[in-house]
Amino acid sequence: EDQVTQSPEALRLQEGESSSLNCSYTVSGLRGLFWYRQDPGKGPEFLFTLYSAGEEKEKERLKATLTKKESFLHITAPKPEDSATYLCAVQAPGSARQLTFGSGTQLTVLP
Amino acid sequence: DAEITQSPRHKITETGRQVTLACHQTWNHNNMFWYRQDLGHGLRLIHYSYGVHDTNKGEVSDGYSVSRSNTEDLPLTLESAASSQTSVYFCASSPGTSGRFNEQFFGPGTRLTVL
Repeated sequence: EDQVTQSPEALRLQEGESSSLNCSYTVSGLRGLFWYRQDPGKGPEFLFTLYSAGEEKEKERLKATLTKKESFLHITAPKPEDSATYLCAVQAPGSARQLTFGSGTQLTVLP
Repeated sequence: DAEITQSPRHKITETGRQVTLACHQTWNHNNMFWYRQDLGHGLRLIHYSYGVHDTNKGEVSDGYSVSRSNTEDLPLTLESAASSQTSVYFCASSPGTSGRFNEQFFGPGTRLTVL
């Protein structure tokens, strides 16, 4: 069974304090790894897709990286508006167009 | 702008009643999905569809059904609502037909309470 584990479950940072969120997976033959941001009371918002080990993508203060067993979401000099739950999801070869989601990391950035 | 909408946004119902949650997307995406989100479980797939008249069961499909009569809509029906089905429900769609372009785009969610 495909497993997606995110850590930590919750993270509190001071504004400007850079850190990383982890998403580890046990899928063989990964077809894609997806990062989403979810604000309270809203649906997940798509951030990035990564397809192969070594790939990196950036958007503002966020950078996502991918290895063969995990992905990191690096947050550089975060601001309070970056506070949200960050979800990762994987697409495995046998699951066609379905995604398997992790439980998320709840990020709080304090001013 | 193209979008995905869900209705109602909030619903309170009683045990045993039939409930239908609507999902409508204007992106002309082939693929549509229903998830439920509960504390400690993340997003779990209920049903999904890869096109008109196609439906498939997901991880937690018991007690739910869907039908796809056009590209835009995938209504989710709870045949006889149970308290265990109290949750937040999200609809999503994606354009892909193969390995890439499978980013899913989510609606705003429906909060369902079964009393």
